[in-house]
Amino acid sequence: GQSLEQPSEVTAVEGAIVQINCTYQTSGFYGLSWYQQHDGGAPTFLSYNALDGLEETGRFSSFLSRSDSYGYLLLQELQMKDSASYFCAVSGNSGYSTLTFGKGTMLLVSP
Amino acid sequence: NAGVTQTPKFRVLKTGQSMTLLCAQDMNHEYMYWYRQDPGMGLRLIHYSVGEGTTAKGEVPDGYNVSRLKKQNFLLGLESAAPSQTSVYFCASSSPGHNYNEQFFGPGTRLTVL
Repeated sequence: GQSLEQPSEVTAVEGAIVQINCTYQTSGFYGLSWYQQHDGGAPTFLSYNALDGLEETGRFSSFLSRSDSYGYLLLQELQMKDSASYFCAVSGNSGYSTLTFGKGTMLLVSP
Repeated sequence: NAGVTQTPKFRVLKTGQSMTLLCAQDMNHEYMYWYRQDPGMGLRLIHYSVGEGTTAKGEVPDGYNVSRLKKQNFLLGLESAAPSQTSVYFCASSSPGHNYNEQFFGPGTRLTVL
């Protein structure tokens, strides 16, 4: 079977740091991606980790531990516009070129 | 450069009716995907294509068919719509190699089946 677990909702205040965790149990694994979706619009790609460690892209960082089947997305200096849903996705679980998405974490940033 | 476009944006069907959703991309991507998104369920892969003339089943293919006659277009068909197919449908495209993890999504089609 396959499963990706992430919290359903996280709340934080502007300027803070928040971490969204993702644990996975899949039959195949090449890497972990993160996507952002505002208000049911088109999801947009944020990051991809194929190897263990931290990848940084501006205010966003993503971490992967393959041995622990675990990753997280770290958002720093939170802004109101960061309020959105965040999805982790595993590649390699169902065909080489496909992604299996988690159910998403809704991040609410308050003033 | 329009990216990924989907038509229609909204549609209401009656049970048993058929329809085709069209996805077009102008990025010359090899890979194209159809997902459905339901509340609390995340994105689930319906069908995908790794090149013109090829298609494959995803996680939830039942009740849907697809065709990829041209590289830039990927069609999703519902032959006999059911209320369980009420959902938001997203199309996406990507390039081969590790870049397939960076998928570009269309704006979605909101389908209601009565």
